[in-house]
Amino acid sequence: AQTVTQSQPEMSVQEAETVTLSCTYDTSESDYYLFWYKQPPSRQMILVIRQEAYKQQNATENRFSVNFQKAAKSFSLKISDSQLGDAAMYFCAHAGGTSYGKLTFGQGTILTVHP
Amino acid sequence: DTGVSQNPRHKITKRGQNVTFRCDPISEHNRLYWYRQTLGQGPEFLTYFQNEAQLEKSRLLSDRFSAERPKGSFSTLEIQRTEQGDSAMYLCASSLLLSEAFFGQGTRLTVV
Repeated sequence: AQTVTQSQPEMSVQEAETVTLSCTYDTSESDYYLFWYKQPPSRQMILVIRQEAYKQQNATENRFSVNFQKAAKSFSLKISDSQLGDAAMYFCAHAGGTSYGKLTFGQGTILTVHP
Repeated sequence: DTGVSQNPRHKITKRGQNVTFRCDPISEHNRLYWYRQTLGQGPEFLTYFQNEAQLEKSRLLSDRFSAERPKGSFSTLEIQRTEQGDSAMYLCASSLLLSEAFFGQGTRLTVV
């Protein structure tokens, strides 16, 4: 069984600053994927970034990047140059190698962005 | 294609009634997933389909829950004899075989 833990219920950041959201996971699978999803209030879940476990290079998508530490089972999300539109609930999620869509989610981190 | 569509967006029902939700996935996506999300928590996996075949069901999916995906297109999730503990957001997602999941906006169920 997989577990995903987000230990920061809430985080805040000033606009244009950088913030890092933490995530740890546990899995018995050797082939898996990790994701960060964003859920704005009353809106649908949107994929922010994904990381294949077999890749050593950390994924980057514009202002979003991850720090994937496979041995430590850690998968943090860094948001650079934070914008007001980044305010949302962020979920870390794990999927086994046979299906990207069967996800185990963490509890979420609420990110507030101050102008 | 405007993405994954879920109807209704909100449903209020009395305890003991049956409810049915519908999900229309992105048209070329052969996998469809149902999740349940309670307030302030991450979504929990319920079940998923590949085309019309239901491949996996979570232990969370009690006998009162049933899901179908006739013809491998839209899916329905039915809850029979609803209980107050069923109050939650029900999310649907779809994907290609080896691609990330795209989520709908969800159906919020309130059981009174």
